[in-house]
Amino acid sequence: QKEVEQNSGPLSVPEGAIASLNCTYSDRGSQSFFWYRQYSGKSPELIMFIYSNGDKEDGRFTAQLNKASQYVSLLIRDSQPSDSATYLCAVWNQGGKLIFGQGTELSVKP
Amino acid sequence: DAGVTQSPTHLIKTRGQQVTLRCSPKSGHDTVSWYQQALGQGPQFIFQYYEEEERQRGNFPDRFSGHQFPNYSSELNVNALLLGDSALYLCASSFKDRGSGYTFGSGTRLTVV
Repeated sequence: QKEVEQNSGPLSVPEGAIASLNCTYSDRGSQSFFWYRQYSGKSPELIMFIYSNGDKEDGRFTAQLNKASQYVSLLIRDSQPSDSATYLCAVWNQGGKLIFGQGTELSVKP
Repeated sequence: DAGVTQSPTHLIKTRGQQVTLRCSPKSGHDTVSWYQQALGQGPQFIFQYYEEEERQRGNFPDRFSGHQFPNYSSELNVNALLLGDSALYLCASSFKDRGSGYTFGSGTRLTVV
């Protein structure tokens, strides 16, 4: 079992729709959870991080964390073609390592 | 405020050769982590350096080694290169090993032929 798992996609949504990206993790003692965006050929850039159960909103982005279910999600509202990228879920585990999932490719169609 | 800088940006090496990649962390950061990202995959943790010592290591063979200098810059060395070592190598810096503060460099694209 991989420590951090994501659906590789691609996930295709029309412009203006809500994109929902999901991630599960295996280390129950994990403390912090991150979403990074990576454009093709570029390095990852941090979008959001979340520590506590519940929702955290930042503009069009909402991160959701459910520690009991070991589940993290990212919602992107009013999706734009510029949101087309690979979204990486990362988990700060008990061992103090930042572990990434394989990423979900998102395509927003005009 | 300078971000994380990596050099070189691209590199082509032959199987069996050795390579050194370099990273200068973001100003104010003292911890450097190295990741390997194969095409279509997420970044895989190689190791982390703090206070000039290797603090954490991922599941990579001893052919992968590193170093951190007193100015917090870091090198990643790979010996006896294999075709499978072809990947994007990412350096991330942070302050005192805080996961919230990871900033990535633009990476070094290594191709082994």
